[in-house]
Amino acid sequence: DTGVSQDPRHKITKRGQNVTFRCDPISEHNRLYWYRQTLGQGPEFLTYFQNEAQLEKSRLLSDRFSAERPKGSFSTLEIQRTEQGDSAMYLCASSPVKLPRLAGGPGEQYFGPGTRLTVT
Amino acid sequence: SQQGEEDPQALSIQEGENATMNCSYKTSINNLQWYRQNSGRGLVHLILIRSNEREKHSGRLRVTLDTSKKSSSLLITASRAADTASYFCATDGGGADGLTFGKGTHLIIQP
Repeated sequence: DTGVSQDPRHKITKRGQNVTFRCDPISEHNRLYWYRQTLGQGPEFLTYFQNEAQLEKSRLLSDRFSAERPKGSFSTLEIQRTEQGDSAMYLCASSPVKLPRLAGGPGEQYFGPGTRLTVT
Repeated sequence: SQQGEEDPQALSIQEGENATMNCSYKTSINNLQWYRQNSGRGLVHLILIRSNEREKHSGRLRVTLDTSKKSSSLLITASRAADTASYFCATDGGGADGLTFGKGTHLIIQP
């Protein structure tokens, strides 16, 4: 399968613990995005990388959240001192740089299956 | 925060009928995209329409965009049971690279 993969698919953790999720984008895509989705809502943007550079962060990304993409390939999202409000589906997406920025904004994004986090 | 709002929140129709869902957004955009999400295949891109386009077709999908009203519609013709899913519009919010999604329309196709 050459799509976006995420690991683990499910994670149950106790409040206060740290968790780390991994995303492997489509290999030729240099843009990688993280989103969070809660029940009944659409995905909410968290952050994105172009190659290894983290270019944009949402205000949703509190200081307990950190994301890395050290070699411009896979990415990790870590949540420290988890809270019950962190329970959500964490989605990763990737895209190629097809559209020049001035010519039409972000193109289509390819999403992974997500990691469902439950904080008890 | 959610940029777009889909309408209706839920829609149930008979197989073979057409389904129309609408999306309104708040800020200027470069393009607007529609995505489908179901439990089997996750979130999948359906169609992208640029701000200088008014209508676009892809198979059984037709998307319109009215930038003066900040709204878009997605029409699915000749619906099938496999179209049962949640449909989201997503915008770039006027220049950001992360997409801003609405809350979605949950579509149920009755056999």
